[in-house]
Amino acid sequence: EAQVTQNPRYLITVTGKKLTVTCSQNMNHEYMSWYRQDPGLGLRQIYYSMNVEVTDKGDVPEGYKVSRKEKRNFPLILESPSPNQTSLYFCASSYRLGATDTQYFGPGTRLTVL
Amino acid sequence: QKEVEQNSGPLSVPEGAIASLNCTYSDRGSQSFFWYRQYSGKSPELIMSIYSNGDKEDGRFTAQLNKASQYVSLLIRDSQPSDSATYLCAVNKDQAGTALIFGKGTTLSVSS
Repeated sequence: EAQVTQNPRYLITVTGKKLTVTCSQNMNHEYMSWYRQDPGLGLRQIYYSMNVEVTDKGDVPEGYKVSRKEKRNFPLILESPSPNQTSLYFCASSYRLGATDTQYFGPGTRLTVL
Repeated sequence: QKEVEQNSGPLSVPEGAIASLNCTYSDRGSQSFFWYRQYSGKSPELIMSIYSNGDKEDGRFTAQLNKASQYVSLLIRDSQPSDSATYLCAVNKDQAGTALIFGKGTTLSVSS
């Protein structure tokens, strides 16, 4: 089954404790992206990757890191999480980078930083 | 900063009626437009994409695009209670497709 998976699905952590949210897709997609969704603010892009070893900032990159060492994986790293990073996070992927390519979303990771 | 605007709702329609959802966007150069459906706590799911002026139909869903007026709409015919969700309008940030710019969504409630 073609899908985007994220782990963990739910996470409660404390300020300053490094964490990684994994994202994996089995569709051989070149493009992957991370979004966060907050009430009243909607979905906003954090980082994206056009291919292996190629990443770039989205609209809200502060406090986050990413890496793309393999085509299928695109982990999101929070080196020192803070309460304002409490949010619902979605990973997305598409076949390639293109204006008409459909982005498919993972199931989401609900993160709470205390 | 490119913007996508939607009425937050809730939009309430009875079962079997037509639901009309509207979206406006700020960048006249935008070329690709998407409607996603999102159930509470779930991920966005693509319903329709539209790139050319006019109507595009897929089952009970019709997307309408008017680039001159910078709006895109989604019509849901024969609305069902299972259509109750938040509908997100999205526009490509740039011609390369590096990101989607989302509206804040319209909540639709279909009563039986």
